[in-house]
Amino acid sequence: GAGVSQSPRYKVAKRGQDVALRCDPISGHVSLFWYQQALGQGPEFLTYFQNEAQLDKSGLPSDRFFAERPEGSVSTLKIQRTQQEDSAVYLCASSLALGQGPADTQYFGPGTRLTVL
Amino acid sequence: AQSVTQPDIHITVSEGASLELRCNYSYGATPYLFWYVQSPGQGLQLLLKYFSGDTLVQGIKGFEAEFKRSQSSFNLRKPSVHWSDAAEYFCALARDQFYFGTGTSLTVIP
Repeated sequence: GAGVSQSPRYKVAKRGQDVALRCDPISGHVSLFWYQQALGQGPEFLTYFQNEAQLDKSGLPSDRFFAERPEGSVSTLKIQRTQQEDSAVYLCASSLALGQGPADTQYFGPGTRLTVL
Repeated sequence: AQSVTQPDIHITVSEGASLELRCNYSYGATPYLFWYVQSPGQGLQLLLKYFSGDTLVQGIKGFEAEFKRSQSSFNLRKPSVHWSDAAEYFCALARDQFYFGTGTSLTVIP
């Protein structure tokens, strides 16, 4: 079956530009997560949705980062006025949400590699 | 405080040799622990997970991991490595969020 998909796979932005990264979770998955993975590092949590509700956004590094999931399926991560330090791979994951919270098995997409020049 | 530590940044093993990747965690309660593998250009793939019960967990691709509470460890093992196992391996702990280690890069030499 189809897994988590993300688009675009690669994005190059000039510093100061706004970008939007899309995530299509596995159909029927209630929970959706965004992570930022810097070069040579493990993924770091950004934000978490259950259906359309954003339950945790504590990992968003600044108010330039904004995520939404208006209909409880597709999600968009938006970064305004991009900076060089935003360069990273942005990973999306989804889970069925079987009542185990963050311990629910997460299925990851291939990521979007953002490069800010 | 770092929740998950992977002490080995890079490991090189010969094809057919055994493998052990180390993971130490910091958490007071019973942890939910995971091992993921990431190949170049691919998303993270779940190898195995530990929630409770049997401390030896079997996963996909011939991997297993052992939870040792006394050592706060959850090391990943494979008895015979294949060239296709070359990848980045991440240990993760689930608390209020998912916390990943910094990863161990595995190189397999013929």
